[in-house]
Amino acid sequence: EDQVTQSPEALRLQEGESSSLNCSYTVSGLRGLFWYRQDPGKGPEFLFTLYSAGEEKEKERLKATLTKKESFLHITAPKPEDSATYLCAVHMSSNYKLTFGKGTLLTVNP
Amino acid sequence: DAGVTQSPTHLIKTRGQQVTLRCSPKSGHDTVSWYQQALGQGPQFIFQYYEEEERQRGNFPDRFSGHQFPNYSSELNVNALLLGDSALYLCASMRGIPLGRAMADTQYFGPGTRLTVL
Repeated sequence: EDQVTQSPEALRLQEGESSSLNCSYTVSGLRGLFWYRQDPGKGPEFLFTLYSAGEEKEKERLKATLTKKESFLHITAPKPEDSATYLCAVHMSSNYKLTFGKGTLLTVNP
Repeated sequence: DAGVTQSPTHLIKTRGQQVTLRCSPKSGHDTVSWYQQALGQGPQFIFQYYEEEERQRGNFPDRFSGHQFPNYSSELNVNALLLGDSALYLCASMRGIPLGRAMADTQYFGPGTRLTVL
């Protein structure tokens, strides 16, 4: 069965302390891997789409990378406003749905 | 450019009742998917509508049904509500693409409808 696993489940950082979130997947025929940010009680906000191994995308303090079996979301010098749940999702070639991980709850303390 | 909109924002129902949730897709999008998100979990796929037809369904019972209108907006209906149906219901829209296309298009999410079943 297709599976998406995110780690850690929760991460607490001090402001300015860089770190990485992991998303590993066991699917065949990847059409795209997506990162979303979700604030409490709100809908997921799109961050990045990655399509092939070796691809990297950046936005402000965030950088997403992709290998054949996992993706990393690197957060450089985070600020308290980066606190949120970060969700990873994959889209396989054999269907139309997104399969999500459970997310990583990031807390950045000032 | 309006994003995905959903209504209502919050809803409280009792067990056994029926509920209808509504979604308007982002401008230029013709495909709508519905997801259920329980507290502390990632969203789970319910179904997707394209050209007014349900083209894929997740592992949800027949109590969950939907509809897509000619203007691409969509409704999610849940009958015989159970306590376990309490969740955030998310609508996502995208441009319709063939299954054989190598790269997936991005799905954009609405703010969600918080359903509480008492």
